[in-house]
Amino acid sequence: DADVTQTPRNRITKTGKRIMLECSQTKGHDRMYWYRQDPGLGLRLIYYSFDVKDINKGEISDGYSVSRQAQAKFSLSLESAIPNQTALYFCATSEIRTGGLETQYFGPGTRLLVL
Amino acid sequence: RKEVEQDPGPFNVPEGATVAFNCTYSNSASQSFFWYRQDCRKEPKLLMSVYSSGNEDGRFTAQLNRASQYISLLIRDSKLSDSATYLCVVNKGTNAGKSTFGDGTTLTVKP
Repeated sequence: DADVTQTPRNRITKTGKRIMLECSQTKGHDRMYWYRQDPGLGLRLIYYSFDVKDINKGEISDGYSVSRQAQAKFSLSLESAIPNQTALYFCATSEIRTGGLETQYFGPGTRLLVL
Repeated sequence: RKEVEQDPGPFNVPEGATVAFNCTYSNSASQSFFWYRQDCRKEPKLLMSVYSSGNEDGRFTAQLNRASQYISLLIRDSKLSDSATYLCVVNKGTNAGKSTFGDGTTLTVKP
């Protein structure tokens, strides 16, 4: 079984609709992240959380909100979807490894299309 | 100027070739550095961390040049399975909330 899972894997929605993307992890990590990736570009951080109820804005948080009600779950919401939110969304967890380096583990991604 | 810049490629090389990618970063206070591998539209996976003294993992060698603010990845004896996009990641702090991803360099290894 995958350690970091995302649901749904694919979603088509219309402009103005509210949608939620879910992320679950069995790795026992405290830190979780949401990124988006646009074609030909790297990942950009939307929000991150270091513990339950802890929420931090990333580079591109406008238009998004998150919820961290449990260690294993981190959900991303688009309150009113717009076409330029069409992207590939990744959830990630992380751990601090030997030497203090933080390693991230990514879920399989959610492809979102906003019409 | 982007915080982290990579040559997008694509790099097209024959099997067995040696190929090198560079990644430059603009923030001199950056503290940790990584290479991730991403197969087509799949999730990124850690390839290797980059240590100040340079480090090697099999056919892969990573180096850091703080003075010139770049990191490099060298792949020796390329395999078909090395075909992927390689993402450079730079952390300004000790947590990934301060990570910046490069846009990636695409490698295609051909028979």
